[in-house]
Amino acid sequence: NAGVMQNPRHLVRRRGQEARLRCSPMKGHSHVYWYRQLPEEGLKFMVYLQKENIIDESGMPKERFSAEFPKEGPSILRIQQVVRGDSAAYFCASSEKTGTYYGYTFGSGTRLTVV
Amino acid sequence: QQQVKQSPQSLIVQKGGIPIINCAYENTAFDYFPWYQQFPGKGPALLIAIRPDVSEKKEGRFTISFNKSAKQFSLHIMDSQPGDSATYFCAASMDSNYQLIWGAGTKLIIKP
Repeated sequence: NAGVMQNPRHLVRRRGQEARLRCSPMKGHSHVYWYRQLPEEGLKFMVYLQKENIIDESGMPKERFSAEFPKEGPSILRIQQVVRGDSAAYFCASSEKTGTYYGYTFGSGTRLTVV
Repeated sequence: QQQVKQSPQSLIVQKGGIPIINCAYENTAFDYFPWYQQFPGKGPALLIAIRPDVSEKKEGRFTISFNKSAKQFSLHIMDSQPGDSATYFCAASMDSNYQLIWGAGTKLIIKP
């Protein structure tokens, strides 16, 4: 029973390029959450998705960032025209039901470095 | 009011000692308080969680103490081991919400 799979583990992009981060939730989990972690800080909520629906994107910057969770395939977090300030670890979590009570399972993250 | 303040930022304890990590919150609507453990290069993993209707919860060597009136909660690790060296995060959420509000983390080192 594989956990939450994120890839790539490390991603280096030059300023102005696009970054695509992928997340495959645990089997049976239909709720996906993306969090961002800056160095020496806790995680910050970005977006919550269910299959084919964005439920809450209140934590995501309005420009350059987008997320999707298609009917088939992994959830994708897309960052266009990356800047140095986008360098961070991006974590995806999934759950069977919505609500933190039910527990999240986190992936190992994608560490994005913008040079 | 959405913040969770965590201290200390880092902590070094001798093996067998009892590290204590503290968190404080303002929002009285928070009703779920988990602790996560994160090893380098890994994602956070749920360690233990508490609801405000109890003042203490134990799971193995890990104990959460909860003080509702002071709006504080803390993690105690009994008989700490070098393998417990990790970053620990407290968090909070409210009303079966899906968003976790995270503390800034405590980097714990247990010396052999």
